Amino acid sequence: QKEVEQDPGPLSVPEGAIVSLNCTYSNSAFQYFMWYRQYSRKGPELLMYTYSSGNKEDGRFTAQVDKSSKYISLFIRDSQPSDSATYLCAMSRSNDYKLSFGAGTTVTVRA
Amino acid sequence: EPEVTQTPSHQVTQMGQEVILRCVPISNHLYFYWYRQILGQKVEFLVSFYNNEISEKSEIFDDQFSVERPDGSNFTLKIRSTKLEDSAMYFCASSRAEKLFFGSGTQLSVL
Repeated sequence: QKEVEQDPGPLSVPEGAIVSLNCTYSNSAFQYFMWYRQYSRKGPELLMYTYSSGNKEDGRFTAQVDKSSKYISLFIRDSQPSDSATYLCAMSRSNDYKLSFGAGTTVTVRA
Repeated sequence: EPEVTQTPSHQVTQMGQEVILRCVPISNHLYFYWYRQILGQKVEFLVSFYNNEISEKSEIFDDQFSVERPDGSNFTLKIRSTKLEDSAMYFCASSRAEKLFFGSGTQLSVL
């Protein structure tokens, strides 16, 4: 079983739709959960950060972590064409900050 | 806003040559990392560096790779004798703790 699994998509949605992304993981030691956005041939940009289980909201973005199910989600409300990118989930343990990444989901928001 | 800076953005080299990839981390960060991303694949951890020494390295980071923080501001990755399979995007990252911030990457092409 892969340590972090993420459906690579691609995902295509109309402008204004809700985008729903998720990852599952196998390592119960993961405590820090992040979502990064990556534009083509650029570095990952930190979008959302959550510690342990719970929800976090930042503008149009909501991140959820369910440690009991080893499942994390990112929701993008009122999606815009500028949200078109690859979204990477990433997570780390509490005793080191080495990130394990998912494969990334490519999202296209159609105008 | 402070950012991680990487140079060069593109590097082309012949197989067997040495390359040095350079990074300037965010100034008050304590942890430094190199990751790589082969085209179409996951972002993979190479090495982490803290307190002037390697804290963890992956099995990819063999004897051909080395890292250095020569002057308190730069952080470098050296590949001693490049192979074709070293062709990838190399990302430097830095953090104060669990939130990693990435540079824009160096695209390394080994011919």
